[in-house]
Amino acid sequence: GNSVTQMEGPVTLSEEAFLTINCTYTATGYPSLFWYVQYPGEGLQLLLKATKADDKGSNKGFEATYRKETTSFHLEKGSVQVSDSAVYFCALTPNTGNQFYFGTGTSLTVIP
Amino acid sequence: DAGITQSPRHKVTETGTPVTLRCHQTENHRYMYWYRQDPGHGLRLIHYSYGVKDTDKGEVSDGYSVSRSKTEDFLLTLESATSSQTSVYFCAISESNWGGEDTQYFGPGTRLTVL
Repeated sequence: GNSVTQMEGPVTLSEEAFLTINCTYTATGYPSLFWYVQYPGEGLQLLLKATKADDKGSNKGFEATYRKETTSFHLEKGSVQVSDSAVYFCALTPNTGNQFYFGTGTSLTVIP
Repeated sequence: DAGITQSPRHKVTETGTPVTLRCHQTENHRYMYWYRQDPGHGLRLIHYSYGVKDTDKGEVSDGYSVSRSKTEDFLLTLESATSSQTSVYFCAISESNWGGEDTQYFGPGTRLTVL
């Protein structure tokens, strides 16, 4: 089956710290992988995506590399800001249909 | 931002009453989805639609029905609301049926409380 597992939160970091949020997946076929971000009181917004193995998605200083050998898509940012405080969701679509599968979300709080 | 609105944004209702949530899009996208978001579960798919009058069940469809009579509108109905359906409901849209080259865009959500 298809599923996404991401690290438990909440995560609290000081401003300018390095961020890693782990995401691993199980999928049939060759999935596409996504990171979405949800700011308080809002819907989910696409942060970045990768559609094939070894692709790196990047946006707003965040990066994630599609690692087929480890079935992972970890989110990283070199220097977080207070404005990055949000809930981050890892997701996949198996590309054999139009369903998306989401992880449970990781809450990030960045303190000044 | 994708043109997706949800109504109402907040609703409190009583157990046993029917409730309908509306999702409206101005993007003319073919696919529409309803999710619920609960602590510890992330987002779970309730139903989705791949065209007018074409719908299918998702992971947690029991107690919910949907209808899509126009491309732009996707309705979610709780036939007889229960307290376990207290949640935040998100509508999403996407253009194509190949997720790799497409993205889901989300509405702002509806917070539903069933007393």
